[in-house]
Amino acid sequence: GQNIDQPTEMTATEGAIVQINCTYQTSGFNGLFWYQQHAGEAPTFLSYNVLDGLEEKGRFSSFLSRSKGYSYLLLKELQMKDSASYLCAVMDSNYQLIWGAGTKLIIKP
Amino acid sequence: IAGITQAPTSQILAAGRRMTLRCTQDMRHNAMYWYRQDLGLGLRLIHYSNTAGTTGKGEVPDGYSVSRANTDDFPLTLASAVPSQTSVYFCASSDSGANVLTFGAGSRLTVL
Repeated sequence: GQNIDQPTEMTATEGAIVQINCTYQTSGFNGLFWYQQHAGEAPTFLSYNVLDGLEEKGRFSSFLSRSKGYSYLLLKELQMKDSASYLCAVMDSNYQLIWGAGTKLIIKP
Repeated sequence: IAGITQAPTSQILAAGRRMTLRCTQDMRHNAMYWYRQDLGLGLRLIHYSNTAGTTGKGEVPDGYSVSRANTDDFPLTLASAVPSQTSVYFCASSDSGANVLTFGAGSRLTVL
């Protein structure tokens, strides 16, 4: 079966750096997405990786290793507003999105 | 404001009743989707539509139906609601050739 694994919850301190990991086993691969979802709100797009390597976008970076079935989202200079759930999703060979359950990130002052 | 509008925001429904969740987008996106989100699980696709006039089944289609009469609207109907359909429902859309989804604010449905 297809599977996306990510930690259920993580805690970090304001101003620090946190890395959220995502491992996947899917039927084919057509890209990996990260979305941010604040409590009670809709998911919003953060990043897309289809080639190996690091994609940087401001305080957020996303890394992909296709051979290892692994990605991470790196958040720098954490702010209280970064408290949210982070969803990892992989597009399989049929261009269907497979979603992880999300990682709830708690930021403490 | 461009985006996706869902209605109702929240609804409590008696089991056995019929319910339609509405979804309208003004971005002229070809593809639209309905997901449900349950605690501890990833988003699960219920139904989708790649273009007006066509629909397809997702991962968890049983008990739900959709229609796509035009580009903008994609309603989701529960013909006879059951408690296991208690969930938060998200409508989403994407442009042709693009993989990024834009989500509506969600509809929280409780079936008693």
